[in-house]
Amino acid sequence: DAKTTQPNSMESNEEEPVHLPCNHSTISGTDYIHWYRQLPSQGPEYVIHGLTSNVNNRMASLAIAEDRKSSTLILHRATLRDAAVYYCILRNRGAQKLVFGQGTRLTINP
Amino acid sequence: GAGVSQSPRYKVAKRGQDVALRCDPISGHVSLFWYQQALGQGPEFLTYFQNEAQLDKSGLPSDRFFAERPEGSVSTLKIQRTQQEDSAVYLCASSLDTGSQETQYFGPGTRLLVL
Repeated sequence: DAKTTQPNSMESNEEEPVHLPCNHSTISGTDYIHWYRQLPSQGPEYVIHGLTSNVNNRMASLAIAEDRKSSTLILHRATLRDAAVYYCILRNRGAQKLVFGQGTRLTINP
Repeated sequence: GAGVSQSPRYKVAKRGQDVALRCDPISGHVSLFWYQQALGQGPEFLTYFQNEAQLDKSGLPSDRFFAERPEGSVSTLKIQRTQQEDSAVYLCASSLDTGSQETQYFGPGTRLLVL
């Protein structure tokens, strides 16, 4: 499975944008980039995914570099509820399981 | 609608005991997954079912771990002769279909502590 690298932790302030980076220099052409997050004492939840183009949904935006070797999850206006561990995951076309790394622990200051 | 539920939420077992962890997936979901999450780590894949068929059990750490989904709905993860290293949160997830980019919906997990 291709590997992702994320910072261990990040901190931001409430109501400000947050940019969570992910490096995946060994990504293959058939790997999709998925983001899940895990709030305290809960199971992970899906945030967003994409292949080549930038993606937006009600939770976040995903910006994918042109060479696909990195991506950034963007939370446009962080709230205290966004404090969680964010996982960047490469999922090959045809793969069923998710392969989680260590993730980034995001702290939001009021 | 109802999400994925797991029971019990917490389980304390003495070393050597057998335990059974239950997962109720979202109704109609074809795929079901089990993951193990050690303290401070990301979840690790254990096994995958498509309906009642166990298609991938490559992540099960030893033959003490056994999972079943006999009617293609509820699943049970059984751990025999529990060891202290089995202490972890066991997460169940389900997805609607078998497409590779299907969203997985996770339950809250069962926290197992082996003394």
